Amino acid sequence: DGGITQSPKYLFRKEGQNVTLSCEQNLNHDAMYWYRQDPGQGLRLIYYSQIVNDFQKGDIAEGYSVSREKKESFPLTVTSAQKNPTAFYLCASSAGNVETQYFGPGTRLLVL
Amino acid sequence: KQEVTQIPAALSVPEGENLVLNCSFTDSAIYNLQWFRQDPGKGLTSLLLIQSSQREQTSGRLNASLDKSSGRSTLYIAASQPGDSATYLCAVSLVYNQGGKLIFGQGTELSVKP
Repeated sequence: DGGITQSPKYLFRKEGQNVTLSCEQNLNHDAMYWYRQDPGQGLRLIYYSQIVNDFQKGDIAEGYSVSREKKESFPLTVTSAQKNPTAFYLCASSAGNVETQYFGPGTRLLVL
Repeated sequence: KQEVTQIPAALSVPEGENLVLNCSFTDSAIYNLQWFRQDPGKGLTSLLLIQSSQREQTSGRLNASLDKSSGRSTLYIAASQPGDSATYLCAVSLVYNQGGKLIFGQGTELSVKP
């Protein structure tokens, strides 16, 4: 099956801890994206990558980091510098940066 | 700065009714516009993508229109069914593209009652 997978489905973070959200795609897409969704605020772009070993900040990159070492993988790390990390995190990919974006099932991050 | 607005925030209709969801955007310099569906606690499913040069796109019971000059798009759902209940989001891709960044509206939560 072709698609985008995200893991885990739920993630709990303790104060001061860094956590990493996984995003994998087997669609052979060049571009990948991370969005954050908060109630009543829609989706906001955190980071995006148009090609392996390259990525750019989105609108709300502070407190987050990413890597793109492989075409199929785009992990997101939520660092301790992100003071309000509780949200639903969505990963997406597209064949090119003007093509349809396909989304994964999401990871819900909660703070203990 | 591009802003996308969806009104109403929530809509409840009886089964079988035809309905229209609205999306407006402030800057007409868009590359394309997409409509997505989101079920509770799930990711987004792409429904339709309209290029800026197109006026409408159709898929089954769904028809999306685009009027770039007035900054409006509508999603028409014919003969609504309870399975259509979900949140519908529209998003625009900018001409200046910024790597494919999408600007999302806040969504319309649709409930179709049997």
